[in-house]
Amino acid sequence: QKEVEQNSGPLSVPEGAIASLNCTYSDRGSQSFFWYRQYSGKSPELIMFIYSNGDKEDGRFTAQLNKASQYVSLLIRDSQPSDSATYLCAVNHGTGFQKLVFGTGTRLLVSP
Amino acid sequence: EAQVTQNPRYLITVTGKKLTVTCSQNMNHEYMSWYRQDPGLGLRQIYYSMNVEVTDKGDVPEGYKVSRKEKRNFPLILESPSPNQTSLYFCASSRTGGVGQPQHFGDGTRLSIL
Repeated sequence: QKEVEQNSGPLSVPEGAIASLNCTYSDRGSQSFFWYRQYSGKSPELIMFIYSNGDKEDGRFTAQLNKASQYVSLLIRDSQPSDSATYLCAVNHGTGFQKLVFGTGTRLLVSP
Repeated sequence: EAQVTQNPRYLITVTGKKLTVTCSQNMNHEYMSWYRQDPGLGLRQIYYSMNVEVTDKGDVPEGYKVSRKEKRNFPLILESPSPNQTSLYFCASSRTGGVGQPQHFGDGTRLSIL
């Protein structure tokens, strides 16, 4: 079992729809969770991070964390073609210091 | 502008010829890290550094060396590159090595080892 799992996609949504990206993780001690966006051939760009159970909203983005079920999700409202990218979930294992484990990413395609 | 700078951005070289990829950050970050990204495998950590003169292995350290003599620089050294080290490499930094610190990535270095 991979430590951080994501569906590779592609996830196709029409412009204006809500895109829902999911991620599960295996280490119950994980403490912090990050979503990065990566355009083809570019570097990962931090979108959001979440530490506590529940929802965290930032503009069109909402991160949701459920530690009991060991999943974290990213919702993108009013999806735009410019949101088309690969979204990487990263989990920081609870070892007391920085140790990010990345999923392989979900490719999102937003059609006009 | 706050940034992580990697050089070179692209390199094609041959097996066995030593090479160094430089990484520099101007944010006074304590923590720096190197990753490689391969299709289907995602980002995997090679080495990391919690601060000057403190480095440790990540998940895939074989064939690589690093050093951290200054806070801003964290070069990645391939002493004897092999074709299986052909990959996209990213340097990243964060303010500290504490849990929860977001990492900021450089633009990447695409290495091809023939």
